Amino acid sequence: GQQLNQSPQSMFIQEGEDVSMNCTSSSIFNTWLWYKQDPGEGPVLLIALYKAGELTSNGRLTAQFGITRKDSFLNISASIPSDVGIYFCAGQTIGTASKLTFGTGTRLQVTL
Amino acid sequence: SAVISQKPSRDICQRGTSLTIQCQVDSQVTMMFWYRQQPGQSLTLIATANQGSEATYESGFVIDKFPISRPNLTFSTLTVSNMSPEDSSIYLCSAEQKLDEQFFGPGTRLTVL
Repeated sequence: GQQLNQSPQSMFIQEGEDVSMNCTSSSIFNTWLWYKQDPGEGPVLLIALYKAGELTSNGRLTAQFGITRKDSFLNISASIPSDVGIYFCAGQTIGTASKLTFGTGTRLQVTL
Repeated sequence: SAVISQKPSRDICQRGTSLTIQCQVDSQVTMMFWYRQQPGQSLTLIATANQGSEATYESGFVIDKFPISRPNLTFSTLTVSNMSPEDSSIYLCSAEQKLDEQFFGPGTRLTVL
């Protein structure tokens, strides 16, 4: 089956730093989604990408849909303590009735 | 986005018993899904809850173990049957409100002793 690998698996950064993480797949996806999950909560949708090459921003977050359709990137600028959490990518292919495949997750910790 | 609630938020159950988890959406949605998230892991799709018909299960999940109901466009239940400690996980429901965009409930944290 499809697998989505995220890197890095975890990262410690200082407040104010920029963060980059990526998600790669062995298969092509038509939609990429990025979620953030806080402890004890469900994932919250951050950004949705629908076209290869698309670059979309949501505040300090920017995500890109890779040209090959097999990868996606998420950048967080000027990180703040509330950015702490686990970030998941998720992909969807046509013909799968909206089913999502989730990535392995990137755990972000921000130090003051 | 749709507001999704789940009940219970957490439970501790004995081996061999069953637990039914409820998922309520504040608006009508076409697609609802159930996921499992084992400790420290990513989300794995259990099944798609189809309104008016049997749920569609993913490989490795069966109806006898995880029966699902979807009586209308705003509500679904997932039952975890004959539980064992390996079923200890977070169970999450989601709903697709806008094409390809799924929103999640807060999850039900299940511990089986």
